[in-house]
Amino acid sequence: GAVVSQHPSWVICKSGTSVKIECRSLDFQATTMFWYRQFPKKSLMLMATSNEGSKATYEQGVEKDKFLINHASLTLSTLTVTSAHPEDSSFYICSATSGRRETQYFGPGTRLLVL
Amino acid sequence: DAKTTQPNSMESNEEEPVHLPCNHSTISGTDYIHWYRQLPSQGPEYVIHGLTSNVNNRMASLAIAEDRKSSTLILHRATLRDAAVYYCILRDVIGGGADGLTFGKGTHLIIQP
Repeated sequence: GAVVSQHPSWVICKSGTSVKIECRSLDFQATTMFWYRQFPKKSLMLMATSNEGSKATYEQGVEKDKFLINHASLTLSTLTVTSAHPEDSSFYICSATSGRRETQYFGPGTRLLVL
Repeated sequence: DAKTTQPNSMESNEEEPVHLPCNHSTISGTDYIHWYRQLPSQGPEYVIHGLTSNVNNRMASLAIAEDRKSSTLILHRATLRDAAVYYCILRDVIGGGADGLTFGKGTHLIIQP
């Protein structure tokens, strides 16, 4: 099956700093990538959808100026949490699809802890 | 996406079959039935999907009711590695791969050794 990687797998940062998370599709070209967030004991919540070369579409309630998404190539999307605060601590998961498939392939997730 | 209803949790013994039910009474004619699972501290992984006919792959089988208002994911011989949260999700075929997934609470499957 298709492989999606994320880096880093976990990060601890101080409040007020910015954190960048990378999502890569390793063996296929991802026309669309998605970013999800999952709080402890909760389900995944879709944050945004990004298509290569265009601006991301954010879900209602997700601040686009706080969660910057860049999908510069068909194999890489980045999520930058700007001015992180403790309430941003969560498990961030990306997924990718080639567009012609119904299946989404998920990364292993990035656990963010903001102190 | 139309709503699905799953039991909060189920328990099964190792090496026995597991039947995970999902109700989707408001399913539309263009909705595919998808199953994903999430192992502890990992991202979800695709399990199987179908439209009308029963489907089999190396991981599981998907049995779809004739009226499509319910479906059952079947793990033929559960192992401890199958302990996970299983999500049943409906996806409109018209949207294709363009839309994100809407995850419900899923079923927490517990496997007893």
